Amino acid sequence: DAKTTQPTSMDCAEGRAANLPCNHSTISGNEYVYWYRQIHSQGPQYIIHGLKNNETNEMASLIITEDRKSSTLILPHATLRDTAVYYCIVRVPLRFNKFYFGSGTKLNVKP
Amino acid sequence: GAVVSQHPSWVICKSGTSVKIECRSLDFQATTMFWYRQFPKQSLMLMATSNEGSKATYEQGVEKDKFLINHASLTLSTLTVTSAHPEDSSFYICSAVPGTSGTSSYNEQFFGPGTRLTVL
Repeated sequence: DAKTTQPTSMDCAEGRAANLPCNHSTISGNEYVYWYRQIHSQGPQYIIHGLKNNETNEMASLIITEDRKSSTLILPHATLRDTAVYYCIVRVPLRFNKFYFGSGTKLNVKP
Repeated sequence: GAVVSQHPSWVICKSGTSVKIECRSLDFQATTMFWYRQFPKQSLMLMATSNEGSKATYEQGVEKDKFLINHASLTLSTLTVTSAHPEDSSFYICSAVPGTSGTSSYNEQFFGPGTRLTVL
């Protein structure tokens, strides 16, 4: 699976949009981009995933560049409860395929 | 949504004892489950893949005799930390992928809430 690079930490003001970048320059054609988050001392929570088109759900939006070498997770109106470590993972979506977690980005949402 | 539970949520044990952690998929069947370990302020590290009806496959550097995995049914996988020592103290997390055939309509894994193990 391709490696990902994320900033170690980011701050965001409550109510503002949080934009979390992820670099995956070695992604292959059949690998999807997944985003999970982990709130302190809990299991990871699925947020969103995509292949090449931008995706949106009730939690977030995922913007993938045309060359698919990077992506951005957007939380449109961050709240204090969005404070967590956000992980960007790339993998081929087969049931047996594993998730390898990188170091992630600690998002601090401040009042 | 798909729910995965873990039991216990936390456990404290003496050095040298064995500890069993259960991972259950509550509303779906899963042929494949995964076990992770997470040390403080670190990321999740994949330990092994648990396969129903067959032996688990372990990541490089993970001792299979130390961390025994049994995937007894389509909804239950157990991780037993044998002869636990203080360095085994960690947060253990499981995940499950819905599906019992070679393919799955789900792309994502569903994670349990984790089990915090403290070995004295």
